[in-house]
Amino acid sequence: AQSVTQLGSHVSVSEGALVLLRCNYSSSVPPYLFWYVQYPNQGLQLLLKYTTGATLVKGINGFEAEFKKSETSFHLTKPSAHMSDAAEYFCAVSDPTGGSYIPTFGRGTSLIVHP
Amino acid sequence: DAGVTQSPTHLIKTRGQQVTLRCSPKSGHDTVSWYQQALGQGPQFIFQYYEEEERQRGNFPDRFSGHQFPNYSSELNVNALLLGDSALYLCASSWDRGSGELFFGEGSRLTVL
Repeated sequence: AQSVTQLGSHVSVSEGALVLLRCNYSSSVPPYLFWYVQYPNQGLQLLLKYTTGATLVKGINGFEAEFKKSETSFHLTKPSAHMSDAAEYFCAVSDPTGGSYIPTFGRGTSLIVHP
Repeated sequence: DAGVTQSPTHLIKTRGQQVTLRCSPKSGHDTVSWYQQALGQGPQFIFQYYEEEERQRGNFPDRFSGHQFPNYSSELNVNALLLGDSALYLCASSWDRGSGELFFGEGSRLTVL
């Protein structure tokens, strides 16, 4: 079984400040990890994913995340927040051994960006 | 290239009624998954269809059923609606030989009164 914990249901930053959204996972096998973003009244869009290889993963819109196995974490960062980054962010984990790759999602973190 | 399309976008039903939601996957995708997203929550996995069969199911009652057609499109049916079924229903498509990346539609928002 796998699970995801996103620390903080809301994160508030000023425009231009560092964005850090936290995600810890639990998995009995080496996982695949994902970050998705959801803008109001829209579906989810993939930001980035980790499957194998390099542990620092770069995604769209300047976001990146680092897989840290020892800490079971996959935190999302962006050096400088833009107003357009305001959205709901979901971390997800899947088990690649079963073949179906069905991800389990966290409860989400709402990113608020102040001018 | 059309992405994942869902219909209807919004609908209102009363308790006890039945609802059917529809999904067309992204071109080239053969797998469809359905998720329920309650207000303020993350998406919860309902089931996944591949080759016209339910491949895996989440922790949802039998009132939730689905179907996948030969063209890979899919339907989600919910019978005997409860107030608690009010949610955004998301369809996601993927390629069976991919790495698990899901492409989501914009969802169908169901309100049960």
